[in-house]
Amino acid sequence: NAGVTQTPKFQVLKTGQSMTLQCAQDMNHNSMYWYRQDPGMGLRLIYYSASEGTTDKGEVPNGYNVSRLNKREFSLRLESAAPSQTSVYFCASSERPLAVITDTQYFGPGTRLTVL
Amino acid sequence: AQSVTQLDSQVPVFEEAPVELRCNYSSSVSVYLFWYVQYPNQGLQLLLKYLSGSTLVKGINGFEAEFNKSQTSFHLRKPSVHISDTAEYFCAVSMNLQGAQKLVFGQGTRLTINP
Repeated sequence: NAGVTQTPKFQVLKTGQSMTLQCAQDMNHNSMYWYRQDPGMGLRLIYYSASEGTTDKGEVPNGYNVSRLNKREFSLRLESAAPSQTSVYFCASSERPLAVITDTQYFGPGTRLTVL
Repeated sequence: AQSVTQLDSQVPVFEEAPVELRCNYSSSVSVYLFWYVQYPNQGLQLLLKYLSGSTLVKGINGFEAEFNKSQTSFHLRKPSVHISDTAEYFCAVSMNLQGAQKLVFGQGTRLTINP
């Protein structure tokens, strides 16, 4: 049982390049999330998927797109990377559909992205 | 709007000393509060959470937190810390966003344990 896995662990991009961050969970969870972590700002929600087949914007969605490929996988795409997107990206999942307010979220190890 | 403030960005303590990490929240509705810990180069994991009932919540690794509604606080404590407790600690409040859970995180407190 690996929990939540993310690939890649590290990535360096040039401004304007695109890339997709992959996330998968093997806990049969219904809800999945993408966060970014910046120094002194805690974690901020980019997008979430409350259940398979649905996605919605979080606090900071600009410059990102997501795909809930199936129940296990939730990818985050940067179409045209900018230096402001340099950050650590975390994927998380929680058990119940509609991401019930009292649920615990389980986090992956993160992807450290640098945009030059 | 709900928000979370962690009053200390860094807390250095000596091994075996007690520690308190402070967290205050603002909310106009019922709150559900969480503490997560992030060890170096790892993701976040749940330490403890307050949903309802007893205001003193016990978590993993000897940590506990007390929910104080009148002071809108949820401070994290440990009576005796170990080197292995060196990590960043995040307080979070859970709210409902368009029918789904949203965790609003504080800025984080970096706990450093000195021998």
